[in-house]
Amino acid sequence: AQSVAQPEDQVNVAEGNPLTVKCTYSVSGNPYLFWYVQYPNRGLQFLLKYITGDNLVKGSYGFEAEFNKSQTSFHLKKPSALVSDSALYFCAVRTNSNSGYALNFGKGTSLLVTP
Amino acid sequence: EAGVTQSPTHLIKTRGQQVTLRCSPISGHTSVYWYQQALGLGLQFLLWYDEGEERNRGNFPPRFSGRQFPNYSSELNVNALELEDSALYLCASSLRLIRSYEQYFGPGTRLTVT
Repeated sequence: AQSVAQPEDQVNVAEGNPLTVKCTYSVSGNPYLFWYVQYPNRGLQFLLKYITGDNLVKGSYGFEAEFNKSQTSFHLKKPSALVSDSALYFCAVRTNSNSGYALNFGKGTSLLVTP
Repeated sequence: EAGVTQSPTHLIKTRGQQVTLRCSPISGHTSVYWYQQALGLGLQFLLWYDEGEERNRGNFPPRFSGRQFPNYSSELNVNALELEDSALYLCASSLRLIRSYEQYFGPGTRLTVT
């Protein structure tokens, strides 16, 4: 089964510092990986995806993610955190055709950026 | 371009009642997905519709059902509501049946069952 794990419930970082939100995956075949962000009482917003190609994927709002096949990881990163980045972040993997290409989500990581 | 829209925003129902949630996908998107985000359970896949047909469903009982209309909008119906159905219900749409395409989410409908 395709699955992802987010080992941290919460990540705290000071504004201006780099941030990393961790995600590891377990898939059969090629992984289709996604990051989404959820602000309070809102739906999910797409940040970026890895399908194939360069291991460093650039996305919205200055976020990027590094795909590492040997470590089966897809960590989300940003060079300089903003207070407005505080939100809930979800890593997700696309299921295969038998499951209709739905997304399997990690449990989420709450990011808190302090001034 | 308008995003995915959902209605209503909030809903309060009593245990045993029935509820219908609505979703309009982004123009041009034919696939609609429904997810449940319940406290402590994370995001779970409910149903997937494409081109008017139910293509797959997650691990939910049959009282969760829905349909997709010719204009690709969708309804989620939940019968015989239970307290544990209280959750944020998210609808997402994507372009066609292509695995690499991302899904775009609506703001959700917050259902409270008392």
